[in-house]
Formats: sequence, C-alpha cells, structure tokens
Amino acid sequence: DSGVTQTPKHLITATGQRVTLRCSPRSGDLSVYWYQQSLDQGLQFLIHYYNGEERAKGNILERFSAQQFPDLHSELNLSSLELGDSALYFCASSSGTSRKGGAGELFFGEGSRLTVL
Amino acid sequence: SQKIEQNSEALNIQEGKTATLTCNYTNYSPAYLQWYRQDPGRGPVFLLLIRENEKEKRKERLKVTFDTTLKQSLFHITASQPADSATYLCALEFSGGYQKVTFGTGTKLQVIP
Repeated sequence: DSGVTQTPKHLITATGQRVTLRCSPRSGDLSVYWYQQSLDQGLQFLIHYYNGEERAKGNILERFSAQQFPDLHSELNLSSLELGDSALYFCASSSGTSRKGGAGELFFGEGSRLTVL
Repeated sequence: SQKIEQNSEALNIQEGKTATLTCNYTNYSPAYLQWYRQDPGRGPVFLLLIRENEKEKRKERLKVTFDTTLKQSLFHITASQPADSATYLCALEFSGGYQKVTFGTGTKLQVIP
C-alpha cells in the first residue's frame, strides 16, 4: 500500500460527458502528480502541483484541468470526453520539498480506469 | 523535445541470469534518474534513484548505472527470478527545479523458469 488513494477505481461514461478523478496523497506529501497511461502511449505526464501551486504542465489537453486543495488532495477534471480519453489515470505524490530540490521517489496510487463509450 | 527510449518492448531471460535493461535519453540534462517496476493494472513502484553526479547505485539484486556522457542508464537484475517478471520504467527529472518527472515507455521483462 503506497498510501496514495485514488477514487473512483473504475468509471464508465459516454462521449461528451465530464468526470472528476480524486487523489489523496500520502500523509505529509506536498507534491501531487497526474499521469495518463494508455496502451499505445505509455505513462504520460499531465501536471504537477506543489502545496496548492501548479509547478509543471505536460501535454495536458485544454479539456482537462486539475487543482490541489488546501488539504492537499487533488482533483483531475476531464470534460467533453472522447473515446481516446479512455485510459488509466494515475496520481502520485512525493515529499519533494522545495522548488530547487528533486521530486524524489514518487508513490503511485492504484489508478482510476476510465472507459469512454 | 525530450525523448526517453527503453531498449526494447520485451525482454525474455532465463531464471538465474542477469537481466540488463537500457534507458537512453536525448535533449536532456537530467538531474535525477529513477527506475520503477509496474505490474499489470497496478501503479508503478519505485525501485532506485540515481543522481547526475553518481555513477552507480545498488540495492540488493538491483544495480543502476548512469552515464551522462552517453546519455544512458543501465538497470541490472542479478540472479533473476520469475517474480521479477514485470514492466520496468525509467523516469527522468531534468534540472531546472520544475520537478517534472517524465517516464519512458518501459521494457516488459519475462523471467522464464
């Protein structure tokens, strides 16, 4: 058990819909990362938050947005869903402590499997 | 743009042998390089981290080397066991303080009894 909790574990929805994925990081970790993993793309970095502040952005679509709340949990919002958005979405947390310091070891949740029909 | 390549999609090896996986990168000045293990349908699990000023790191049967001149990391599993069968991912974090950790596509290792 990594200590990172993701909900829901599975989600089936239709094209055009909107979903919210939730992540609770390990106790004490200030950094949260979101990744998308599909069969043909590997693990794609989406976005990183540190203590509520967006730190880095990857190839995140404009239809996707995220935020990290004061209690450090994070949400990834996916809207106007398309078939190609079907994937495993992982959240990871780390204790990376400063802007100049490394991220360190990432602790991953078990993922949210999104199926868009 | 940054590119991370892992030597092959799949690697089959006999039990007891040493498995060697390769991670090559371009257009990077990585400050840190990490290796993760991922089992089907599960989240990746951290194995080892090596810094740009380190040449080698060991942990039990695992060894990682990091050659910033060749832009390459090698990941070795000695005395491999069927339980080592999984996908192994390398991940790079480049210097600049942005803490963006980028993963390679992984190598699926199968250890044959």
